[in-house]
Amino acid sequence: QSALTQPASVSGSPGQSITISCTGTSGDIGGYNFVSWYQQHPGKAPKLMLYEVSNRPTGVSNRFSGSKSGNTASLTISGLQAEDEADYFCSSYTSGSTLWVFGGGTKLTVL
Amino acid sequence: EVQLVESGGGLVQPGGSLRLSCEASGFSFSGYRMHWVRQLPGKGLEWVSRIKGDGSDTRYADSVKGRFTISRDNPKNTLYLQMNSLRVEDTAVYYCAKDGDHFEHDYWGQGTLVTVSS
Repeated sequence: QSALTQPASVSGSPGQSITISCTGTSGDIGGYNFVSWYQQHPGKAPKLMLYEVSNRPTGVSNRFSGSKSGNTASLTISGLQAEDEADYFCSSYTSGSTLWVFGGGTKLTVL
Repeated sequence: EVQLVESGGGLVQPGGSLRLSCEASGFSFSGYRMHWVRQLPGKGLEWVSRIKGDGSDTRYADSVKGRFTISRDNPKNTLYLQMNSLRVEDTAVYYCAKDGDHFEHDYWGQGTLVTVSS
């Protein structure tokens, strides 16, 4: 069982917006702004999409945005495109001895 | 361009050992902390270990502490993970990942599969 909780799946039609939630505790998401999000296409390595809750690395589309409230972080993808269909994982730095925790992943289906 | 290439995975019996390698290029290797992260068969990701740029400090997930050892050879731009006393539950794809400046993992390799089975 993953330390951070994500929905197993979400779906949306092209052009629509979707939001993926990621719930942790005060020891991880709630205690730090070190939340990151990763996209993973089948058979590929994870790709960093957001860091520090809402910052985008160079080259990542501004259709991807992030936020945090309390112990829950969220990833929003606007203007859904077919290429966005992938698994998405959240991650947070944590105060525990295991320094980083991940969510179980959310499969995004673009209908 | 940052590139990370893992190798060394394979099939090993429970209780056995394996050493993974990760060759890095495209950045100043010694200047960055490096991580190992694994992806379990059910697809969940699990952070395994981290090492500072000069190798002076290492950290481990509780699940591997005392069994795995992370190390690096900066002149060779190579990261290692020595895995001993392997268990069935260590079966996973192991990724090396570069540390970003903001507590994120900004670049990942393609991964190497480790299967622990009798």
